[in-house]
Amino acid sequence: AQSVTQLGSHVSVSEGALVLLRCNYSSSVPPYLFWYVQYPNQGLQLLLKYTSAATLVKGINGFEAEFKKSETSFHLTKPSAHMSDAAEYFCAVSDSGGYQKVTFGTGTKLQVIP
Amino acid sequence: ETGVTQSPTHLIKTRGQQVTLRCSSQSGHNTVSWYQQALGQGPQFIFQYYREEENGRGNFPPRFSGLQFPNYSSELNVNALELDDSALYLCASSAGLGDTGELFFGEGSRLTVL
Repeated sequence: AQSVTQLGSHVSVSEGALVLLRCNYSSSVPPYLFWYVQYPNQGLQLLLKYTSAATLVKGINGFEAEFKKSETSFHLTKPSAHMSDAAEYFCAVSDSGGYQKVTFGTGTKLQVIP
Repeated sequence: ETGVTQSPTHLIKTRGQQVTLRCSSQSGHNTVSWYQQALGQGPQFIFQYYREEENGRGNFPPRFSGLQFPNYSSELNVNALELDDSALYLCASSAGLGDTGELFFGEGSRLTVL
């Protein structure tokens, strides 16, 4: 069964500092991997996705993630945090087959300190 | 392009009652998935509908049921409500089987069971 593990339920960074949110996946088949962001009282919005085309994936709002098969990781980074980045971030995995069940991690809440 | 819309946005029910939540999928999408997001948790997959047929189900009891209509809109029905059913219910649409699994979410229906 596919799953993702997000390390750290809360992460705090200073404005302008590096953002690093960790995600490790488990999948028996080549996975599709995603990062979603959720602002308070809203649905989830896709930040970026990995679909095997390139290991370094660039997303919206300056975020990027690198797929590392040897480490089964898909960590999310942003070089310089902005106050507007404060939100909850979810890593997710989907099988590369036709069945589209997407499995989400438990989320990491990012706090940006001025 | 119209995004995913859900109704109602908030509702309060008492234990034992029944509830129906509605979702209109994004234009051009024929697949709808429903997720339950309890407070402080990641979304949990309930089920998915593809062209009006259930196409997979998560670990939820039969009192959670759904429908998809010819226009690809969808309903989630929950019977015999329990206190633990209190959650944000998210609907997500996608372009169809064989796609990467990218989901487009609505803003959710927040259900409180008293």
